Amino acid sequence: GAGVSQTPSNKVTEKGKYVELRCDPISGHTALYWYRQSLGQGPEFLIYFQGTGAADDSGLPNDRFFAVRPEGSVSTLKIQRTERGDSAVYLCASSLAGLNEQFFGPGTRLTVL
Amino acid sequence: QKEVEQNSGPLSVPEGAIASLNCTYSDRVSQSFFWYRQYSGKSPELIMSIYSNGDKEDGRFTAQLNKASQYVSLLIRDSQPSDSATYLCAVNPNSGYALNFGKGTSLLVTP
Repeated sequence: GAGVSQTPSNKVTEKGKYVELRCDPISGHTALYWYRQSLGQGPEFLIYFQGTGAADDSGLPNDRFFAVRPEGSVSTLKIQRTERGDSAVYLCASSLAGLNEQFFGPGTRLTVL
Repeated sequence: QKEVEQNSGPLSVPEGAIASLNCTYSDRVSQSFFWYRQYSGKSPELIMSIYSNGDKEDGRFTAQLNKASQYVSLLIRDSQPSDSATYLCAVNPNSGYALNFGKGTSLLVTP
């Protein structure tokens, strides 16, 4: 079956601009996670959705970052007033409810110039 | 702070040898443990999960967990050049929670 998909695969933007990153989880997976990964580091947790609600947003670095999942499937990560330090690979993962095995999408490489 | 520690490597092993990758974690309540493989420029790929003390084998891979020592390891038997990648250790305290990752160990299998 289809895995987690993410669009776009690459995004280049200018400092101060707004960006949206999209994630489409594996069909039937109710849990969805956003992580970001910088070079040489492991993925860093941002936010976790169970269904439509954000069950844990403790990893969002500041209020410029926001994520939604209005229908409990596709999720959008939104970054306002982008900064050069936001440059990273943004990874989305999904899992079945009640299970921990998380499957990652291919990621979106965000570059802020 | 809940930490997951891995030796960054690179760990170099000859083809056909056993590669041993190690990970320690600080949060004693962690219940679930995972190994991901990440090729350069790609996203993490789940290769093993382990939840109970002891060994779990899947093909050439064996995961070992010792909760008392807060230690989890991954053994790769008959290493192949295609196993060359970064291996990420991840833990979480309970079902449905975020994973806490180590920085990964770079493995190089030389022909």
